[in-house]
This record gives sequence, C-alpha cells and structure tokens, in this order.
Amino acid sequence: DVKVTQSSRYLVKRTGEKVFLECVQDMDHENMFWYRQDPGLGLRLIYFSYDVKMKEKGDIPEGYSVSREKKERFSLILESASTNQTSMYLCASKGRSYSNQPQHFGDGTRLSIL
Amino acid sequence: EDKVVQSPLSLVVHEGDTVTLNCSYEVTNFRSLLWYKQEKKAPTFLFMLTSSGIEKKSGRLSSILDKKELFSILNITATQTGDSAVYLCAPVEYNNNDMRFGAGTRLTVKP
Repeated sequence: DVKVTQSSRYLVKRTGEKVFLECVQDMDHENMFWYRQDPGLGLRLIYFSYDVKMKEKGDIPEGYSVSREKKERFSLILESASTNQTSMYLCASKGRSYSNQPQHFGDGTRLSIL
Repeated sequence: EDKVVQSPLSLVVHEGDTVTLNCSYEVTNFRSLLWYKQEKKAPTFLFMLTSSGIEKKSGRLSSILDKKELFSILNITATQTGDSAVYLCAPVEYNNNDMRFGAGTRLTVKP
C-alpha cells in the first residue's frame, strides 16, 4: 500500500513567518502534488512536481513555493504566511507521469495563521 | 476553462436511504473520471471510470459514466452512518499530468 506522510497534522503559525509543510511518499512515485482544501471550494492545486527538482504551477501558486530535492519528499513553503493561507493542505503522489493511475493522499495538515 | 461541478453540495439522509451524487465535467481531452471518499483525513480512491454505460460496483456503492452528456453518478444504497463523508470527483485528461477536483458533496447519514 502506498503511504503518503505529512509531517504535521495541525500547525499554528504567525503572520509573516516562513512555514514549511513536508510530505514524504514511500512508493518511488514520480509525481507529487500539493492542494489546499477550503469549504465550498474543494481541492485546489497549488503546485506539482513530476521529477526531482522539477515543478509546475497549479491554479493558485501565489504566495507559495515548493522544493523537491529528493524523489520521495515534496515540500510546500509559505514564504511569508498570511491569514488567508489558513486552510487544510493535502499532499498526494502518483506513479507514472501521464498515466491513468489515481493519486494517493496524505492525511492533511490543518494550518492556522494567526 | 475546464470545469467540474458536483451536486448537491450537501445532503442529509437517514440510514437505509439511497442517495445519488452527481458530477458533471468539461475538460478538453477526457480520459477517465475518478471518485474519492474523504472522511476526516485523506481522500481514499473509490472508482475509476473510463467507458460510458459500464457500471463499477463495490458493495453498496456503484458508479456510472456518460461520456456523451459529460457526467457521472455515484449511487449508495442502504446508506449507513459510516458512509458520512465528502465525496469528490475528478476527471483525468490525456496529456495532462494533474487533476482538477470538484468542490465535493458532503453526505451526512443520520441513524
């Protein structure tokens, strides 16, 4: 079974802080994704990566950056956290690029920015 | 712009009821449609649909795709409180490595 692990279940940070959300997968998947989930808006794609050091913007990349230095790890960075980034963040991974395989999700990090 | 619309957004039923959740989509190069169930944590994969008219079934859950009318339905019969969750759909496109999800349907099943 694929395991996608997000480092924190709950996180509270202050406005202006630099925030790191970490995600690790154990199935040697090529692709990793970061979403945020807000009530009524569903899952919105922030960034994804199809290989080490490669990244693509999703629908809402503003205010975020990502890092993929190793295949199994994909980090989401909030350079200067703001209150409108309070949300549930979900990481996902998928095997082969451009395949029909479903994404596998982590349990999410509920981030509050005060 | 591609769109994925789920309806209803929220549904409250009693145990034993049958429910139908809807997902309509507009994407350029449709390949398949995925359904997920999300309880309190990670969305978990339910079904992948690629062909019109062929029902996928897993216990009390079933799903079918209509590629001509661009929608899918997810049926749950004899609902149980454990079916309470958010149900998400997402179309997959050829030549596209990411996915766009609908806003989800929040199903609440009361005892």
